[in-house]
Amino acid sequence: EDQVTQSPEALRLQEGESSSLNCSYTVSGLRGLFWYRQDPGKGPEFLFTLYSAGEEKEKERLKATLTKKESFLHITAPKPEDSATYLCAVHLTGGGNKLTFGTGTQLKVEL
Amino acid sequence: DAGVTQSPTHLIKTRGQHVTLRCSPISGHKSVSWYQQVLGQGPQFIFQYYEKEERGRGNFPDRFSARQFPNYSSELNVNALLLGDSALYLCASSHGNYQETQYFGPGTRLLVL
Repeated sequence: EDQVTQSPEALRLQEGESSSLNCSYTVSGLRGLFWYRQDPGKGPEFLFTLYSAGEEKEKERLKATLTKKESFLHITAPKPEDSATYLCAVHLTGGGNKLTFGTGTQLKVEL
Repeated sequence: DAGVTQSPTHLIKTRGQHVTLRCSPISGHKSVSWYQQVLGQGPQFIFQYYEKEERGRGNFPDRFSARQFPNYSSELNVNALLLGDSALYLCASSHGNYQETQYFGPGTRLLVL
């Protein structure tokens, strides 16, 4: 069964303390991996799309990478405003436009 | 540019009632997808519509239905509401039909009592 697993479930960082979030997938045919940020009670905000192993994308303090089995979202020198839930989702071969999501990592950055 | 808009923002219903949720996609986008997000979980795919036709359906009961209008806006209908239908309902739009980046609206928070 196709599965997307995110870890850790929750992460607490001090401001400036860099870390990485993990998204591992066991799917039959990956056509794209997406990272979204979601604030409480709001809709997910698009961050990155990755299509092939070795690909990397960067935006401000965030960097997303992709291997054949997992993706990492690296957060460098985070600030309190980076606090949010980060969701990973995949497009599968034959899945049309359907996104399959993980359960997310809840990140809290403290002063 | 306006993003995806959804209405209403919040809704309270009782068991057995019917609800209609509305979504307007980003201008120029022709595909609309609906997702249900229960607290603490990732969004679950319900439907996708493209050019007014259903192009995908998730594992939801027949109480859930949707349609897309000529202006590409969409409605999600849920009949015979159950307590378990309480969730954040998200609409996402993309330009085309196949495996494109989807942009989400703010969601409609539905509470069933």
